[in-house]
Amino acid sequence: IAGITQAPTSQILAAGRRMTLRCTQDMRHNAMYWYRQDLGLGLRLIHYSNTAGTTGKGEVPDGYSVSRANTDDFPLTLASAVPSQTSVYFCASSDRLAGGDEQFFGPGTRLTVL
Amino acid sequence: GQNIDQPTEMTATEGAIVQINCTYQTSGFNGLFWYQQHAGEAPTFLSYNVLDGLEEKGRFSSFLSRSKGYSYLLLKELQMKDSASYLCAATDSNYQLIWGAGTKLIIKP
Repeated sequence: IAGITQAPTSQILAAGRRMTLRCTQDMRHNAMYWYRQDLGLGLRLIHYSNTAGTTGKGEVPDGYSVSRANTDDFPLTLASAVPSQTSVYFCASSDRLAGGDEQFFGPGTRLTVL
Repeated sequence: GQNIDQPTEMTATEGAIVQINCTYQTSGFNGLFWYQQHAGEAPTFLSYNVLDGLEEKGRFSSFLSRSKGYSYLLLKELQMKDSASYLCAATDSNYQLIWGAGTKLIIKP
């Protein structure tokens, strides 16, 4: 593994189903993030984690949950998917939450909820 | 509220220079990032400005004016591979990034 990986690459999901998007980084970064990107809108932060064992809510957290059991993994769960959650989801990581550390992004997961 | 404004789309000619502007309003400010995103791909880091002035990095330069809440990305000697979206993001008082919707840059031969 080099950098950040996400799985699946794409998914079509029936409304009401539960779904977990996976994210793994091998850079030993402390901070990790989940964003969604919709056409015409900027990236919007869903949840973040400063370090293993801690998580925080971003701009659009409703309907999503995260966990950070270890440094490398940061899964995002949709407990009961709705069509408005159709989006491209990006996981990212940085060495620190604060400061000018660049965020490294995974390749994204394209999710369609029908 | 917090807001980032940048043009939706710009067109430029191969070999030319283009300037992409970004204005921001955030609760606190801890620096401004520019990222490049090719269609269907993830954003990649271009630059970070925290102090006023111009930062040059090869063909790309980024400028910041904190007093005006303004930044621009300058791309010189444009190449076809520069066709992409350019995302401006400001860091607020909580060090969270507030992202603009991106500027789609179209390069014509």
